Amino acid sequence: GNSVTQMEGPVTLSEEAFLTINCTYTATGYPSLFWYVQYPGEGLQLLLKATKADDKGSNKGFEATYRKETTSFHLEKGSVQVSDSAVYFCALSDPGGSNYKLTFGKGTLLTVNP
Amino acid sequence: EAGVAQSPRYKIIEKRQSVAFWCNPISGHATLYWYQQILGQGPKLLIQFQNNGVVDDSQLPKDRFSAERLKGVDSTLKIQPAKLEDSAVYLCASSAGSISTDTQYFGPGTRLTVL
Repeated sequence: GNSVTQMEGPVTLSEEAFLTINCTYTATGYPSLFWYVQYPGEGLQLLLKATKADDKGSNKGFEATYRKETTSFHLEKGSVQVSDSAVYFCALSDPGGSNYKLTFGKGTLLTVNP
Repeated sequence: EAGVAQSPRYKIIEKRQSVAFWCNPISGHATLYWYQQILGQGPKLLIQFQNNGVVDDSQLPKDRFSAERLKGVDSTLKIQPAKLEDSAVYLCASSAGSISTDTQYFGPGTRLTVL
């Protein structure tokens, strides 16, 4: 079956540090890949997505590249801010089935200190 | 554009009681999803509707959970009777279509505590 594995958290960084959150996946077909973010007290928001191999999704300074050869979709940001503190979820949507439900990783809590 | 609306935001009940959650998707979105998010885990799909028909309810505990989407717009999710392990955040999401590249938009969720 489909699965998503994210690096264990929590991750604590100082402002302006470089961020990497690792994400690898297992899927039966050629999935679309997503990063969602959940700020404290809020719902999930789409951060970025990539729908085919070698695509790069980017938004708000975050980026992730769909690597089919390593089945990975690592999230990166060059300089984090305090406002980036949130839980980040990697997810996939697999077109191999009859529906396109999202399969999520467990989430990674990021705390950015000033 | 208004987002996905959910109510209530919080609910505390005793075990064996019943509870219902309501969701209003983004206008025009044909596909509606209910997810369960247990603390420390990613959301898990409970049920997916395409218009007012069920596409996937394979992970819905049907002995206690039920959901409906009348007229293909609003949806309600009910639990009866609730168990302690049902304590979670219940998320509603919607998407315009149902292909794998479609973005799902999430509501703020309903946090359920079962005592």
